[in-house]
Amino acid sequence: NAGVTQTPKFQVLKTGQSMTLQCAQDMNHNSMYWYRQDPGMGLRLIYYSASEGTTDKGEVPNGYNVSRLNKREFSLRLESAAPSQTSVYFCASRNRAQETQYFGPGTRLLVL
Amino acid sequence: GESVGLHLPTLSVQEGDNSIINCAYSNSASDYFIWYKQESGKGPQFIIDIRSNMDKRQGQRVTVLLNKTVKHLSLQIAATQPGDSAVYFCAENNNDYKLSFGAGTTVTVRA
Repeated sequence: NAGVTQTPKFQVLKTGQSMTLQCAQDMNHNSMYWYRQDPGMGLRLIYYSASEGTTDKGEVPNGYNVSRLNKREFSLRLESAAPSQTSVYFCASRNRAQETQYFGPGTRLLVL
Repeated sequence: GESVGLHLPTLSVQEGDNSIINCAYSNSASDYFIWYKQESGKGPQFIIDIRSNMDKRQGQRVTVLLNKTVKHLSLQIAATQPGDSAVYFCAENNNDYKLSFGAGTTVTVRA
């Protein structure tokens, strides 16, 4: 049982490049989330998926898109990366019966 | 807007002492609160949670206290150890599926 896994662990992009961050969970959780974490700040919600087949915007969705591929996988896409998107990205999941979210190890993204 | 925040960004504690980490929240409708621990280079890890119908909840070496009157949450760590050095976040249940996080308190344990 690996919990929440994220790939890649680290990525460097040039401004304007695109990439997809992958997230998978093996806990059979219904809801999945993407956050970004910047220095001195808490986690800010980018997008979430309350259940398979649905996605909703969070606090900071601009510049991102998501896909809930199936119950296990939730990907985050940057279509045209900008330096302001340099951050650490965390994926999380939760069971419908609980409010607790469980986090992956993070993807560190640097946009030059 | 309503938000969750921590009183102090840093806390230095002598090994073996008790630690108290504070958090103020402003959304009086929040009914569920969580404390997370984040070690360097890792994702946040669940420590303990509490619902708004409770004042206190204890775990292994940790206690969470909730004061709804002043909208204050605290995490107490007993006999702090070097492995407790980390950033601690409080979070509140904000509108169904979402959590709202504070900025975090960095705890450093002195040997």
